[in-house]
Amino acid sequence: GAGVSQSPSNKVTEKGKDVELRCDPISGHTALYWYRQSLGQGLEFLIYFQGNSAPDKSGLPSDRFSAERTGGSVSTLTIQRTQQEDSAVYLCASSLEVNQPQHFGDGTRLSIL
Amino acid sequence: AQSVTQPDIHITVSEGASLELRCNYSYGATPYLFWYVQSPGQGLQLLLKYFSGDTLVQGIKGFEAEFKRSQSSFNLRKPSVHWSDAAEYFCAVGAGTYKYIFGTGTRLKVLA
Repeated sequence: GAGVSQSPSNKVTEKGKDVELRCDPISGHTALYWYRQSLGQGLEFLIYFQGNSAPDKSGLPSDRFSAERTGGSVSTLTIQRTQQEDSAVYLCASSLEVNQPQHFGDGTRLSIL
Repeated sequence: AQSVTQPDIHITVSEGASLELRCNYSYGATPYLFWYVQSPGQGLQLLLKYFSGDTLVQGIKGFEAEFKRSQSSFNLRKPSVHWSDAAEYFCAVGAGTYKYIFGTGTRLKVLA
């Protein structure tokens, strides 16, 4: 079946604008995760969803970042008033259940001018 | 605190040569361990995983990894590298829950 789908694949925006990144997980996967991959860095955990709820938002770097998941499926990561340091690749992953292997999408490359 | 160390930032091998990528972790209990591969412009693909049982695990694309508790290591190996293996490789530890801790990656270059 289809893998994790992320859109857009690339996003270029001006500093101060808001952006929305979308993740469509593998069908039937209850757990969904967002990570950020900055140049030369590993992957930084941002947030985790079990169903529609987010038990752990501890990785969100500031209150400009928020995420939601509706219908236990699609998730949106929103960054308000973007800053240049927000430039990174944002990766979404899903797993059948927590503690099962995570399957990643191809990411959204975000560039803040 | 849990952590993952991949001591080699870059590795270059010749096509057909053997490969070993190192991964050391810090975790208080038996961890879940993973190796992922990332090709340019793409997401991470799971190569193999260790949850429990046999400490030598086989993965896709001819890769294997061995969990050594005494050394807190989970090194990735391949007996004969192909040019298509050139990519970045990430080791990760699942700290008993949903949160994976990733290493900073090892970029593999393959010489023809």
